[in-house]
Amino acid sequence: GAGVSQSPSNKVTEKGKDVELRCDPISGHTALYWYRQSLGQGLEFLIYFQGNSAPDKSGLPSDRFSAERTGGSVSTLTIQRTQQEDSAVYLCASSFTGGAAGEQFFGPGTRLTVL
Amino acid sequence: KNEVEQSPQNLTAQEGEFITINCSYSVGISALHWLQQHPGGGIVSLFMLSSGKKKHGRLIATINIQEKHSSLHITASHPRDSAVYICAVDTDKLIFGTGTRLQVFP
Repeated sequence: GAGVSQSPSNKVTEKGKDVELRCDPISGHTALYWYRQSLGQGLEFLIYFQGNSAPDKSGLPSDRFSAERTGGSVSTLTIQRTQQEDSAVYLCASSFTGGAAGEQFFGPGTRLTVL
Repeated sequence: KNEVEQSPQNLTAQEGEFITINCSYSVGISALHWLQQHPGGGIVSLFMLSSGKKKHGRLIATINIQEKHSSLHITASHPRDSAVYICAVDTDKLIFGTGTRLQVFP
């Protein structure tokens, strides 16, 4: 079956522009996660959706970052007024269940470059 | 101090060697994950464990909850094992270690 897919695979944008990154989780997975990996840095949690519950937004670095998950499936991560420090690989993962029971399956990532 | 510490940061080995990567953490966890990230950037989940030991092929992962420590072992290492290995602990979200870059030479 299909794995987690993300689009676009690469995005180059100018400072100050808004960007939208898309994640299609594995069908039937109730949990969806967004992570960020900056150059030379480790992975960083951004946001977690579990079913119809309110998302855990505790990892979002600023109010320029937001995410939504429509119909419990596809998710969009939006970065407004991008800054150069937003340049990173943005990774999405999904799991059949959330929490400790859920092995996470990662998408290929979107490489964002802010000029 | 990071909540998740991995050692070593970098590791080189000759093909066939036995590899150990260590992970220590300082928070209460519900599970621990070992992930593999290849040079192309893709991440694959290797293990998720909350106690004891798991084995998959040449890979073995162990965890000691009391000591807050986990190890990932690779037996009979091969150049295709070259990757970054990342430890992540599951609290109510994943907290990642900074990874161990492994290079296995023929």
